[in-house]
Amino acid sequence: DIQMTQSPSSLSASVGDRVTITCRASQGISNYLHWYQQKPGKAPNLLIYDASSLQSGVPSRFSGSGSETDFTLTISSLQPEDFATYYCLQSYSTLRTFGQGTKLEIK
Amino acid sequence: QVQLVQSGAEVKKPGASVKVSCKTSGYTFSSYYMHWVRQAPGQGLEWMGIINPSGGSTSYTQKFQGRVTMTRDTSTSTFYMELRSLRSEDTAVYYCGRDFTGLPNLWGQGTLVTVSS
Repeated sequence: DIQMTQSPSSLSASVGDRVTITCRASQGISNYLHWYQQKPGKAPNLLIYDASSLQSGVPSRFSGSGSETDFTLTISSLQPEDFATYYCLQSYSTLRTFGQGTKLEIK
Repeated sequence: QVQLVQSGAEVKKPGASVKVSCKTSGYTFSSYYMHWVRQAPGQGLEWMGIINPSGGSTSYTQKFQGRVTMTRDTSTSTFYMELRSLRSEDTAVYYCGRDFTGLPNLWGQGTLVTVSS
């Protein structure tokens, strides 16, 4: 299986900060990398698909970049509702894999 | 509107099996694959497998090979995920997620499966 490694595993930041989360694949996955946000007790919410495409309805402060093995999710100016856990997912392989998650907490 | 409604919470003993359902409505059943994802308490998301509603072909992650079976019933537009030989580590919320260009996008509400003696 393709392994996905996210960093950091947790992050403290303040409202208005610019935040970057990274995801590294164990092999090249082209742009088959997607980002989700999850809040406690809720199903994940798709933010970015195909590395850099913004899902409909997602605020433009979220952006994604990268290809092959290295990817980033950037939140340009943190809002109170952005404090959550973020996951990457690869769909290059038939057997999808998630990263282990990044918990974004209020400083 | 599109809906995925999962079956209710389950409590099972170690060694037992559980079958979670995901009833769909509001779209053409055969047009979208269905993913199954689980999340143990306080842990991350874990992708388990996927099923093609047309024909029922499946792919499972190796961790669950031999213990999981994903099926569908086209007459009721329902998907099922059965997990056998349950152990305490299988305690988790299980989600079905409708496919969107290869990834799960629209989700059921989740089903908590608790494995305890």
